[in-house]
Amino acid sequence: DSGVTQTPKHLITATGQRVTLRCSPRSGDLSVYWYQQSLDQGLQFLIQYYNGEERAKGNILERFSAQQFPDLHSELNLSSLELGDSALYFCASTGADFITDTQYFGPGTRLTVL
Amino acid sequence: AQTVTQSQPEMSVQEAETVTLSCTYDTSESDYYLFWYKQPPSRQMILVIRQEAYKQQNATENRFSVNFQKAAKSFSLKISDSQLGDAAMYFCAYFNAGGTSYGKLTFGQGTILTVHP
Repeated sequence: DSGVTQTPKHLITATGQRVTLRCSPRSGDLSVYWYQQSLDQGLQFLIQYYNGEERAKGNILERFSAQQFPDLHSELNLSSLELGDSALYFCASTGADFITDTQYFGPGTRLTVL
Repeated sequence: AQTVTQSQPEMSVQEAETVTLSCTYDTSESDYYLFWYKQPPSRQMILVIRQEAYKQQNATENRFSVNFQKAAKSFSLKISDSQLGDAAMYFCAYFNAGGTSYGKLTFGQGTILTVHP
């Protein structure tokens, strides 16, 4: 158990819908990262937040957005869902020094878009 | 942009034997970290081992060790005394500690390791 929690574990929805994925970092960690794992794209970095502020951005679609709240949990919002958005979405967290700290991953949320 | 390549889509090993998984990466940066993560059927991403680029000594964690060749940009993982529980997908990952592209892990495509009893 990495200490990073993600809810829900599974999510099944239809095209065009909107969903919210939630992540709680390890106790004391300030930085949260979101990754997408799909069969065709592999594991890709989406976005990083540090203590409530966006720090780095990767291959995140405009239909996707994220935020980190004052209690440091983070939410990833996916809208206008398409079949290709079906994937495993991981959250990872690190401590104050995100340069030297290792990223520990949550169990992931499996999103299925029908 | 940094890239990570795992040239072995699948590998297999007999229980108690040794196996080496290959990884190469491409970067122009000098300050970075390299990782191996394991993803068992549960899909959880589990850290196996980490190597700082500035360290010449190869990292070791129990039965897991790496062969880090900085000039060749090679970072292989050796698993000794393989166990059935080692069966998983293994990902090599790169983290840039400087420049403007820090903050993200760049992953290879993964190697599926099968362990035969």
